[in-house]
Amino acid sequence: DTEVTQTPKHLVMGMTNKKSLKCEQHMGHRAMYWYKQKAKKPPELMFVYSYEKLSINESVPSRFSPECPNSSLLNLHLHALQPEDSALYLCASSQKGLAGEGATDTQYFGPGTRLTVL
Amino acid sequence: AQSVTQPDIHITVSEGASLELRCNYSYGATPYLFWYVQSPGQGLQLLLKYFSGDTLVQGIKGFEAEFKRSQSSFNLRKPSVHWSDAAEYFCAVVQMDSNYQLIWGAGTKLIIKP
Repeated sequence: DTEVTQTPKHLVMGMTNKKSLKCEQHMGHRAMYWYKQKAKKPPELMFVYSYEKLSINESVPSRFSPECPNSSLLNLHLHALQPEDSALYLCASSQKGLAGEGATDTQYFGPGTRLTVL
Repeated sequence: AQSVTQPDIHITVSEGASLELRCNYSYGATPYLFWYVQSPGQGLQLLLKYFSGDTLVQGIKGFEAEFKRSQSSFNLRKPSVHWSDAAEYFCAVVQMDSNYQLIWGAGTKLIIKP
């Protein structure tokens, strides 16, 4: 089973709201990822957690705050977003993490959360 | 720096016809390559991957890809497309000189004519 689940499927929020996106996997994967994808574009990496520690932050604005409560869960907390942050937010996981075997790791993606910021 | 190029933004194919989607990479050594498919409004699904060994790789949904080092290519093929294959297809390569993250091609949108 290579399933990554994400909730909610759709989210509409105002610029002053605080909301969270959730991602879950039960494959025993050691790395989890957040991507942002705009229409007709490839995904852009935001954050990587490896063994529950933040290992990559691709210079993402602080209004996006990731959290990895345990090895199966990944959250993305949103606060004071801008309309240009509207996008599909994808979560992914991979088995090996970045500890030495990252080159041959395979990422499995969830269905995404469609975020609209008004 | 490594890069991935998908030369075709759109490809239109008749249902039942064969398909080839192009992917070219730049990297001096053997790359690690992936093809993902994304249906409208959905996440990305792994079709197949190449790390080493047999250069013809079989994937899900009847897709295959061939790694050709001499042409720096990893083209995706399917002998007979179905209407359900209409989607966006992304080629990606592992970034070996940095953090092993994926470098993505721009994607190719596959349109199926009935």
